[in-house]
Parts: sequence; C-alpha cells; structure tokens
Amino acid sequence: ETGVTQSPTHLIKTRGQQVTLRCSSQSGHNTVSWYQQALGQGPQFIFQYYREEENGRGNFPPRFSGLQFPNYSSELNVNALELDDSALYLCASSTDRLDEQYFGPGTRLTVT
Amino acid sequence: KNEVEQSPQNLTAQEGEFITINCSYSVGISALHWLQQHPGGGIVSLFMLSSGKKKHGRLIATINIQEKHSSLHITASHPRDSAVYICAVSLRLEYGNKLVFGAGTILRVKS
Repeated sequence: ETGVTQSPTHLIKTRGQQVTLRCSSQSGHNTVSWYQQALGQGPQFIFQYYREEENGRGNFPPRFSGLQFPNYSSELNVNALELDDSALYLCASSTDRLDEQYFGPGTRLTVT
Repeated sequence: KNEVEQSPQNLTAQEGEFITINCSYSVGISALHWLQQHPGGGIVSLFMLSSGKKKHGRLIATINIQEKHSSLHITASHPRDSAVYICAVSLRLEYGNKLVFGAGTILRVKS
C-alpha cells in the first residue's frame, strides 16, 4: 500500500473525445509524475509537476496536459484521443529531495 | 537503442531455482530501481540502488556503476514470485527526477 490512489480504475472512450484521469498523492509529496504504459512495454515518462508547475516533459504532444493542486491531488488530461492512447496510466509521487517514487495502481484507458 | 536494456525478456523457472535478471543502461544516473509489477498493473518498488548491493529476504540487487550494469537475483524461487520485473534509472530534473524504464522481464515460476 503506497498511499497513492488513482481514479477511475478503468475507462473506455471514443476516438476524438477528451479524458481526465486523477491521482491523489501522499501528504507532503510535492512532486507527481505521470507515466504511460502501453501493453507489453515499460512505462514512458509523460511529465512531472512540482509545486503546481510543470517540471519536465517526455516526448508527448501538447494534447497531454496536467494540473497539480495544493491538496496533493493531480490530473492528467488528454484531448483528441487517438487509438494509440490506449494504455495503463500511472502516477507516482515523491518528495522533492528523495528519489523514491510511490506508484498508484493505475488507470487503464481504452480508446475505441 | 533504448537507454535501459533488460534481459531476458521472458524467463520460466522451476520452483526453488536461482534466478538472475540483468539490466544495462547507457546514461548517467542518480539511482537505479528494481520494480515488480503484477497482472492488473500495480507497481511496487523492490530496491533503489546507487552503489553496491542490497538484500531483502530472498531478493538481492547489485549494481556496478563503472560498467553501467545491475542484476536482480531471486534465491529459492517460488510461484508467488511470478510477475514482471522492471529495471528503471533515475535521471535528474530541476526539482526531482524522472524514471526511464526497461521493457521488463516476464518471470513465471512453476511448481
């Protein structure tokens, strides 16, 4: 039990729609990272937020965006969904000084 | 070429066998992680290493910084060890770090 929760657990959307995924981090964890894991592959870094500002971004288009809130919750928004966006989306939180990242259980998104 | 390479991709072992999973990386890192992922998706951190060796129960992780190589060993393997084992390296960002993952090793331990 990492203390990191994600919602929803599963989600089915249609191509072209928009989706919002949510993550609730441990209290005191100022940093949240989002990862995309396609089937059979390792997770890929989407972006990281530190104290409500984007702190780094992977090779993902601007239709992937995020928000981090003062209550240690965060969101991943994806616009104009494509079939290839079907994946497991993981959030991970950490303090701003330690390397240890604590993962949530993930949200499985299916785009049809 | 991926920044993190794992081998083997798939591994089947008999209960009780000694198992080794290898990880090589090509970039400067602040730490290396071994993670376990069960069906359903949840990821659990097993080890975080920046040098030497760590042991937890039947699991042992080693890292050689000069050779950019790490190994995860499982002694006296058990069917409950069946999972995907993922190697990931920490790369520094301005205020934190991001993880770059290997593709994972699918381990199946048969009884």
